[in-house]
Amino acid sequence: QQQVKQSPQSLIVQKGGISIINCAYENTAFDYFPWYQQFPGKGPALLIAIRPDVSEKKEGRFTISFNKSAKQFSLHIMDSQPGDSATYFCAASMLGSARQLTFGSGTQLTVLP
Amino acid sequence: DADVTQTPRNRITKTGKRIMLECSQTKGHDRMYWYRQDPGLGLRLIYYSFDVKDINKGEISDGYSVSRQAQAKFSLSLESAIPNQTALYFCATSAPGLNQPQHFGDGTRLSIL
Repeated sequence: QQQVKQSPQSLIVQKGGISIINCAYENTAFDYFPWYQQFPGKGPALLIAIRPDVSEKKEGRFTISFNKSAKQFSLHIMDSQPGDSATYFCAASMLGSARQLTFGSGTQLTVLP
Repeated sequence: DADVTQTPRNRITKTGKRIMLECSQTKGHDRMYWYRQDPGLGLRLIYYSFDVKDINKGEISDGYSVSRQAQAKFSLSLESAIPNQTALYFCATSAPGLNQPQHFGDGTRLSIL
């Protein structure tokens, strides 16, 4: 049973466009939601994270939007660049689970030049 | 030099063989993790360790074992490899504390014929 559902599986965006990746969760005990970015041949690396006490967090061109009532959160990449082409994973964790991360299935983003 | 080093980077072996994947880190982190990554399934936790004497099963520990030889070293073993263990394996580390990011190695691509 996948506790964090991620969509779409793949996404193609033109340079300068907005990339949007969505995640949904069921377990209301989750209280920390990071996004990881993975380039080919490399391990994932933390990109940005949010706690549910805020509805939005922005770092440069990357923004997380969080909707607690809908149990959904999304990553927006503004002014997408070819260098943003990577696989993106959403994740969630909670107290009492030793802060284990539960990952979504990943989204392969391709930004065309 | 990489902070989290995994060896080997690639391995092809046969069904029934014993395999050990090794992970070493220079970050000084107490917490270490092993994940496997499969297309469409994201990353799933196999085992984690919060210090040398603390080993815990993750979501998918069956068929795997681990050894924490030192703070800096965490090995994953497949006692009798089977084809459905073919995957990309990642080691990660994190500092103790709330919501610390996980730092991943570059992975081991394992193929079991």
